[in-house]
Amino acid sequence: GESVGLHLPTLSVQEGDNSIINCAYSNSASDYFIWYKQESGKGPQFIIDIRSNMDKRQGQRVTVLLNKTVKHLSLQIAATQPGDSAVYFCAENDGSGYSTLTFGKGTMLLVSP
Amino acid sequence: DGGITQSPKYLFRKEGQNVTLSCEQNLNHDAMYWYRQDPGQGLRLIYYSQIVNDFQKGDIAEGYSVSREKKESFPLTVTSAQKNPTAFYLCASSSWTGGSYEQYFGPGTRLTVT
Repeated sequence: GESVGLHLPTLSVQEGDNSIINCAYSNSASDYFIWYKQESGKGPQFIIDIRSNMDKRQGQRVTVLLNKTVKHLSLQIAATQPGDSAVYFCAENDGSGYSTLTFGKGTMLLVSP
Repeated sequence: DGGITQSPKYLFRKEGQNVTLSCEQNLNHDAMYWYRQDPGQGLRLIYYSQIVNDFQKGDIAEGYSVSREKKESFPLTVTSAQKNPTAFYLCASSSWTGGSYEQYFGPGTRLTVT
């Protein structure tokens, strides 16, 4: 079946660098996308979301970019800090009217001081 | 203090026993979800409920059962029919208002079956 996937399983950066985490999706009907951060042994926390009628959305130190042409989503974290070290998941809603999300496998972000 | 609670945080059971995981929310959300997470993996949907007294199977419902008798509660039973029950279980809820499908997650229950 169609699913959300990620290009990079692990990303290592230095503190202060900008980080980019990528996500590919295959369901062209998906109209809502969301990024979560999960620290070890905890539940995922919301970072930012975007609807398919937008191509960019910004939050505090984070930006999500959506390219519907190539079905690609990215999360940019500015001035990455050690506290940003976690696993990041993208997820999509398939636009069917149900509230379920399909999650990707995740990318581990490691930030060195 | 609004949120989702899951209990217990760690649970140990012998093979062949059924076990029920608790999930409670005071966010007044209509929808609730159960996910399973294995090491280094994403979240896989077990069951979800969009309204009280109604629930649907997710992608990996075999060996699990749920009930939704109250809006606040969505317990998950891991039955002895589940072949590989050891995992981290996450409960979530959502209200899908304002065009957002954001799900709020609990802290999770780590189940170990030996």
